[in-house]
Amino acid sequence: DIQMTQSPSSLSASVGDRVTITCRASQSIARDLHWYQHKPGKAPKLLIYAASSLQSGVPSRFSASGSGTDFTLTISSLQRDDFATYYCQQSYSIPLTFGGGTKVEIK
Amino acid sequence: QVQLVQSGAEVRKPGALVKVSCKASGYSFTSYAIHWVRQAPGQGLEWMGWINAGNGHTKYSQKFQGTVTITRDTSTSTAYMNLSSLRSEDTAVYYCAREGAARSGIDYWGQGTLVTVSS
Repeated sequence: DIQMTQSPSSLSASVGDRVTITCRASQSIARDLHWYQHKPGKAPKLLIYAASSLQSGVPSRFSASGSGTDFTLTISSLQRDDFATYYCQQSYSIPLTFGGGTKVEIK
Repeated sequence: QVQLVQSGAEVRKPGALVKVSCKASGYSFTSYAIHWVRQAPGQGLEWMGWINAGNGHTKYSQKFQGTVTITRDTSTSTAYMNLSSLRSEDTAVYYCAREGAARSGIDYWGQGTLVTVSS
């Protein structure tokens, strides 16, 4: 199975801050990497697919990059609505696997 | 609009079986795969398996081989997840979710179904 490792596991930030989350795969996954936002009591929401493509309707303050084993998700100016847990997920091979999550909290 | 509507919360005793349904609407059901993903309390997201809604082929996580069965009914555009031999560790929110077009991630999710396993 491909292991996905996210860092940090949590962070505290203020509205307006630039936030970067990293995700590392245990082997190359090309660009088969997706990012989700998850809030308590809600379904996860797809933010970024195929490593860097913004899902329709997602604000442009979200961006992502990477290929192979190393990926990043950036929120350029954190908004109050962005406080949530973020997960990366690989679809390169079965079983699909998720990172452990990064909880973004208000400082 | 695309919607995945799941059945309601369930409570089961250890050793029992649970069946969760996921009714799809707003798109061609047989053109997309459906995943099942769960989240135990305080834990992250865990992929269980998926079904090709067109031909019914399934793939499961090794962890759930032998205990999970995913099926679909094309006449009602509904996917089902059966989980047997329940243990307390299976207490979780279970989500169905649609695989998007090629390499485009899991683009729509159901609202989640809480399954509680308790004696």
